[in-house]
Amino acid sequence: QQQVKQSPQSLIVQKGGISIINCAYENTAFDYFPWYQQFPGKGPALLIAIRPDVSEKKEGRFTISFNKSAKQFSLHIMDSQPGDSATYFCASGGYQKVTFGTGTKLQVIP
Amino acid sequence: DARVTQTPRDKVTEMGQEVTMRCQPILGHNTVFWYRQTMMQGLELLAYFRNRAPLDDSGMPKDRFSAEMPDATLATLKIQPSEPRDSAVYFCASGLAPAREPTQYFGPGTRLTVL
Repeated sequence: QQQVKQSPQSLIVQKGGISIINCAYENTAFDYFPWYQQFPGKGPALLIAIRPDVSEKKEGRFTISFNKSAKQFSLHIMDSQPGDSATYFCASGGYQKVTFGTGTKLQVIP
Repeated sequence: DARVTQTPRDKVTEMGQEVTMRCQPILGHNTVFWYRQTMMQGLELLAYFRNRAPLDDSGMPKDRFSAEMPDATLATLKIQPSEPRDSAVYFCASGLAPAREPTQYFGPGTRLTVL
């Protein structure tokens, strides 16, 4: 099974700081790279996604940076807030299905 | 507000018992996924269906797990017999494909505990 490697496993950031989560994928045929956010007791929900035809996508405080040659992509959360405390999953794949990374538990402390 | 629903939300059972989990996908979605989430393995894809036909169930232990879509509004995941190692949260997700951005909409999950 194609792997998606995600790091770090956990992250503690001060309120107002920048949270950065990294992912690496293997299959160059993948053309869809979403990030999902999961709060305790809930199912994951799509946060933001990118296609490889662009190198960056920004939605509010959340930005995906994509490096096709390195087969890496990352999520940046600017001005991190306590309400952003959740587990974040990167994923990669195509229109059929995606493979999820192992998750990063983010804690934003006041 | 369209949502994926899953029942039951929690299930505690004894080893060897049959467990059936149900999922109602969002109306109009043609793709349904079953995932298992554990601390050790993260989110594992067990099986998925498109237009009610199974496309991939390679993530499922075939000897004890089965997944079906009796109709477009119901997907089921059955474990028989259940084992303690099956304890996990099982998520159903639905989506629409093909799509440029094939978002998966997850249900709230079924937390299964096998004693």
